[in-house]
Amino acid sequence: DAGVIQSPRHEVTEMGQEVTLRCKPISGHNSLFWYRQTMMRGLELLIYFNNNVPIDDSGMPEDRFSAKMPNASFSTLKIQPSEPRDSAVYFCASRMGQINEQFFGPGTRLTVL
Amino acid sequence: EDQVTQSPEALRLQEGESSSLNCSYTVSGLRGLFWYRQDPGKGPEFLFTLYSAGEEKEKERLKATLTKKESFLHITAPKPEDSATYLCAVWNNAGNMLTFGGGTRLMVKP
Repeated sequence: DAGVIQSPRHEVTEMGQEVTLRCKPISGHNSLFWYRQTMMRGLELLIYFNNNVPIDDSGMPEDRFSAKMPNASFSTLKIQPSEPRDSAVYFCASRMGQINEQFFGPGTRLTVL
Repeated sequence: EDQVTQSPEALRLQEGESSSLNCSYTVSGLRGLFWYRQDPGKGPEFLFTLYSAGEEKEKERLKATLTKKESFLHITAPKPEDSATYLCAVWNNAGNMLTFGGGTRLMVKP
C-alpha cells in the first residue's frame, strides 16, 4: 500500500493567493483528518471526515479555511485568501473503522510570503 | 478540555544510555493513548496504542507504559537511529479526535 499521499509537498505562495492542498487516504480507510503543525502550537486537528462527511470542523481557524471530501479517495483543504500566519506543515491522516490508529501522510509545507 | 504535556522537550543521550520520556495527560475519559515517532520532514509514524492503566507494549528498544495520569516511553540502549521527535496523543470518550502533546525531541549520539 502506498500510504497516505499528499500533494504538493511544498508550496510557496504570496499573501492573498488561494492555496489548495490535496490528500489521498489509504484505500479502505473511512475516516480522514487534516492537521496543522507549527513550532508554537504543535500538531492541531483542523477537521475530520467520517465516510466522506465532515464531522467536526471546530479546529478550522477561520472562514478562510475550507475542506471537502467528494469521495472516499480524495480530500482537499483550501485556504482563500492565504496569510503569512498560515505558514505551517499540513498533514492528512486516515483511519479504518473505530480503532483510532491514524496513519499520516508526508505533509505539505506551506509558506505564505 | 483535554491536555497533554510531554517532558522533557529535548533529550540528548549517548548511544546505549537508557532513559524515559514522559507524557502527562488530563482527559475526560481516556479511550486510548497513542505514541508516534516523527522524523524531520516526515509525518508522524504510529508506534503504540495503550488502552488501560497497567498496560505495556514493546517494540524493539521501546517500551510504553500507562498509568491513570501519565505514560512513559522507555528507551533501552538507544542507537543513533532512534533519534526523532516522539509524540503522544490522547483519545477521549467524547469522539474521534486525538489531542497531541508538544513532543520530545530525542538525540542519540554515537
